[in-house]
Amino acid sequence: SYEVTQPPSVSVSPGQTAKITCSGDSLPKQYGYWYQQKPGRAPVLVIFKDTERPSGIPERLSGSSSGTTVTLTISGVQAEDEADYYCHSTDSNGSWIFGGGTRLTVL
Amino acid sequence: QVQLVQSGSELKKPGASVKVSCKASGYDFTTYAMNWVRQAPGQGLEWMGWINTNTGNPTYAQGFTGRFVFSLDTSVRTAYLQITSLKTDDTAVYYCARDKGLSSGRPISPWGQGTLVTVSS
Repeated sequence: SYEVTQPPSVSVSPGQTAKITCSGDSLPKQYGYWYQQKPGRAPVLVIFKDTERPSGIPERLSGSSSGTTVTLTISGVQAEDEADYYCHSTDSNGSWIFGGGTRLTVL
Repeated sequence: QVQLVQSGSELKKPGASVKVSCKASGYDFTTYAMNWVRQAPGQGLEWMGWINTNTGNPTYAQGFTGRFVFSLDTSVRTAYLQITSLKTDDTAVYYCARDKGLSSGRPISPWGQGTLVTVSS
């Protein structure tokens, strides 16, 4: 079955840039999405269709895609960015796929 | 605005059943499919499947067949998840999540607030 893979954790100091990657064989054909989840809260969409940012999401969060990898970049990381981030895509049948999640720690 | 509101937390004994509701507002209910996602304590997101809100036809992901039932009541714009023969491993937060789309030209991905189902003797 189709899988997407992301690192379990990323740590960064405030003001630095954090990059979270997500790899999957179908990502060249299927869009990647990113969700941010804070403790006790539902996931929130932060990147749509590889690169689009929903309303209300800060410009410091951006998405990119290259080959079998999509990347979430957070520039000028702030304490409020500390959260779990999930890569999400779909397979050719429309089934949802989630990565295992990346815990972003702001040092 | 688009909103999904789920029913409250449940505490059930092993072997019992539970039915979680997800009431939609702010959009045409039958236009977008409804998905269900499970998150066990301290774990990641796991897609359970989806239901076609136009036809009522459910599709279950691997591992969610048999004891899990998706249903609808379109008259009250509500989707349901029923779990029968509950096991302690079913303890999790269950989310409904509408298919992604655009609202006023901007992407949205509405999720319910989650329903904690605790299975314990």
